[in-house]
Amino acid sequence: EPEVTQTPSHQVTQMGQEVILRCVPISNHLYFYWYRQILGQKVEFLVSFYNNEISEKSEIFDDQFSVERPDGSNFTLKIRSTKLEDSAMYFCASNQGANTGELFFGEGSRLTVL
Amino acid sequence: GNSVTQMEGPVTLSEEAFLTINCTYTATGYPSLFWYVQYPGEGLQLLLKATKADDKGSNKGFEATYRKETTSFHLEKGSVQVSDSAVYFCALSGWGAQKLVFGQGTRLTINP
Repeated sequence: EPEVTQTPSHQVTQMGQEVILRCVPISNHLYFYWYRQILGQKVEFLVSFYNNEISEKSEIFDDQFSVERPDGSNFTLKIRSTKLEDSAMYFCASNQGANTGELFFGEGSRLTVL
Repeated sequence: GNSVTQMEGPVTLSEEAFLTINCTYTATGYPSLFWYVQYPGEGLQLLLKATKADDKGSNKGFEATYRKETTSFHLEKGSVQVSDSAVYFCALSGWGAQKLVFGQGTRLTINP
């Protein structure tokens, strides 16, 4: 069964360092997403991506964040200069089309910023 | 804006007990409602959904009914199993929107 895969599963970094989280969405999906969950808090929407551009982003997704689909398979989230408060579990998701509501999630990448 | 509130966990039950996890929402228009589940070491996966008022979503013995009058989508199961131990997330998507708005999640532990 096709699935969304994410790497790394856990990354520890120093404050101020750049981090790239990688995702391989399901191959025939068209919409891609990043969500995050700070420990003990809600799963929060960060950004959605369609047709090689951002379709929607939240207030959390400021200039420190960027997304890219560098080739036909990967979808990356970059944090330019990490802060302590960026420590969270980051989930990538994808789906096929509009208004289905069902997103397919990866297992998450845990980011710890020291 | 749209929001979802779930009952706080963790919830611990014995096998074969009846389960209810409460979920209420605030939204404009006519959202679609979802329950996602996250088993240990796995990503979130869709458990069930309902797209309009009075619809009942069901899967794996779980049910939830879209109640517009009470803005609720409570998750129920008549007899839980140890394998149901997971974190359960209530979520909504606004009409025409792609993104999901999640509740905070409820950790469920079922003891044999």
